Amino acid sequence: AQTVTQSQPEMSVQEAETVTLSCTYDTSESDYYLFWYKQPPSRQMILVIRQEAYKQQNATENRFSVNFQKAAKSFSLKISDSQLGDAAMYFCAYRGLYGNKLVFGAGTILRVKS
Amino acid sequence: GAGVSQSPSNKVTEKGKDVELRCDPISGHTALYWYRQSLGQGLEFLIYFQGNSAPDKSGLPSDRFSAERTGGSVSTLTIQRTQQEDSAVYLCASSPTGVDYGYTFGSGTRLTVV
Repeated sequence: AQTVTQSQPEMSVQEAETVTLSCTYDTSESDYYLFWYKQPPSRQMILVIRQEAYKQQNATENRFSVNFQKAAKSFSLKISDSQLGDAAMYFCAYRGLYGNKLVFGAGTILRVKS
Repeated sequence: GAGVSQSPSNKVTEKGKDVELRCDPISGHTALYWYRQSLGQGLEFLIYFQGNSAPDKSGLPSDRFSAERTGGSVSTLTIQRTQQEDSAVYLCASSPTGVDYGYTFGSGTRLTVV
């Protein structure tokens, strides 16, 4: 079974600085999708960024980018120019190419200091 | 609808009572998922619907939990004889079939069993 590990329960960053959230996963599949979701206090999970495993190029969405290392099974999220609105719980998630469910990590709480 | 709608937003119930949680997915989304999020924890998969059938219900924790989906749309998650350990946020998500841009989540139902 696939597993997703987020080793940082909590992270802090100063406003306008850069922070990197770590995620590793375990799978025997060669094709899959990886996601980062943000969960603010409103509870609604918001998709931040998505990566297809067969693409070597790292995904980027505005201030959010990933460092996808397939051989190391690592998928970290970098947030540049951090803003107060980035404060939330961040979840890393995995889905097999033919899978029907997302497998989530335990989450990382991100605090942004002004 | 424009998004995934869940009701009620919050529910407090006495131990031993039955509860029903409702999820109204985005119109046209054939896949529907239920997840449970215990306090400060990651998301635990409960059940997956494709149309009205549930090909994967492996995450339901006990036979007190059941779910159904009618008309390929609204889904109801029922918990019978609630226990204190059932207290959690229950999140519903939907997605179209055949594309994988992640799920769209609702804001969840916070269930408190007293």
